[in-house]
Amino acid sequence: DAKTTQPPSMDCAEGRAANLPCNHSTISGNEYVYWYRQIHSQGPQYIIHGLKNNETNEMASLIITEDRKSSTLILPHATLRDTAVYYCIVRYLGTGNQFYFGTGTSLTVIP
Amino acid sequence: DTGVSQDPRHKITKRGQNVTFRCDPISEHNRLYWYRQTLGQGPEFLTYFQNEAQLEKSRLLSDRFSAERPKGSFSTLEIQRTEQGDSAMYLCASSVLWGPQETQYFGPGTRLLVL
Repeated sequence: DAKTTQPPSMDCAEGRAANLPCNHSTISGNEYVYWYRQIHSQGPQYIIHGLKNNETNEMASLIITEDRKSSTLILPHATLRDTAVYYCIVRYLGTGNQFYFGTGTSLTVIP
Repeated sequence: DTGVSQDPRHKITKRGQNVTFRCDPISEHNRLYWYRQTLGQGPEFLTYFQNEAQLEKSRLLSDRFSAERPKGSFSTLEIQRTEQGDSAMYLCASSVLWGPQETQYFGPGTRLLVL
């Protein structure tokens, strides 16, 4: 159901860019890619989303490949507060319109 | 703060008791979702409403689970005859649909422990 594949864990040095990959090879033409993160014991926090163009906001950048089968979330200057589980989600436009979260990538930012 | 709120934040109950959780969405958001999250897993979709209509409930875990959104604003999730396996975080999210785009905003969750 998840429709996305992410590495289970990654480390990143504080101040460096964190690049989190996601594979979504079965994505359909009008399905958006969303990224959320969840800091321990809190609700998921929206980061960014996109369809086919690269997107940037105050939190992150989203790079989507031309074939849309994969994407990368970039945190340009990781801080300790960015330590969290990051979820890449393809919103399924079928029954329920729900998000399938999968198990995400646990990012640890190292001082 | 005008974010999604949930009450209570924590609930401890004994097996067999009924529990009810409340979610207040962001005002003007017409969609409301309930998810369950167990340790080490991502949130798992349970059900959702558009205004007061419950449009999808096949993912509710059993007939012990029910949800309402009587006036299209706040929602409640009830679990009857709780079991230890119901221990989890219960998350609520709200959204507004813009064509195929829909950003869900999550509340802080209600953590349930069934003894």
